[in-house]
Amino acid sequence: AQKVTQAQTEISVVEKEDVTLDCVYETRDTTYYLFWYKQPPSGELVFLIRRNSFDEQNEISGRYSWNFQKSTSSFNFTITASQVVDSAVYFCALSGASGGSYIPTFGRGTSLIVHP
Amino acid sequence: DGGITQSPKYLFRKEGQNVTLSCEQNLNHDAMYWYRQDPGQGLRLIYYSQIVNDFQKGDIAEGYSVSREKKESFPLTVTSAQKNPTAFYLCASSIGWTRGGNIQYFGAGTRLSVL
Repeated sequence: AQKVTQAQTEISVVEKEDVTLDCVYETRDTTYYLFWYKQPPSGELVFLIRRNSFDEQNEISGRYSWNFQKSTSSFNFTITASQVVDSAVYFCALSGASGGSYIPTFGRGTSLIVHP
Repeated sequence: DGGITQSPKYLFRKEGQNVTLSCEQNLNHDAMYWYRQDPGQGLRLIYYSQIVNDFQKGDIAEGYSVSREKKESFPLTVTSAQKNPTAFYLCASSIGWTRGGNIQYFGAGTRLSVL
């Protein structure tokens, strides 16, 4: 069975602070994919990143960066110099690719509030 | 502009009434999904479809029904058997199904409330 844990229910920061959203996963698949999605107040989830289990390179995209560590089964997301527009609910998700469930399993989400 | 359109944005259901939520996509995706979102619960899968005329139950299918008569359309009916239908409903699609890793594209959601 797949499981994604986002232990932080809500995080509140002041603009320009750095913030890290944690994601811990469990799977028996040897090949799997991890995702992050952003859900702004409008409601529509927007895809941010996908990583496969064989690629542990960290990735940076502007103010966003992701740290994938198989040793700790974590795929954490950091926003540098946060902005008010970053306020949203962020979901981490996992899907198997080697005989397990191809259906993505979502974490419960972390609500990020960035105050001006 | 390609995407997923959900309608209506807001929907109210009376006691004992069935209501249908619309989901249309023009992305030419094979797979479509329905999720229910409750505060603090994340996304829970209701039904999914890999191909036209085929669909499978998700984790919380009781009280819901779907159809997939066209590739572009995957409507969700919330039946009177669903005793707690108040939630935010999200429709999604992905290119395919095999080997996992498919990025999902989401609609803007329908918020259903009970009168």
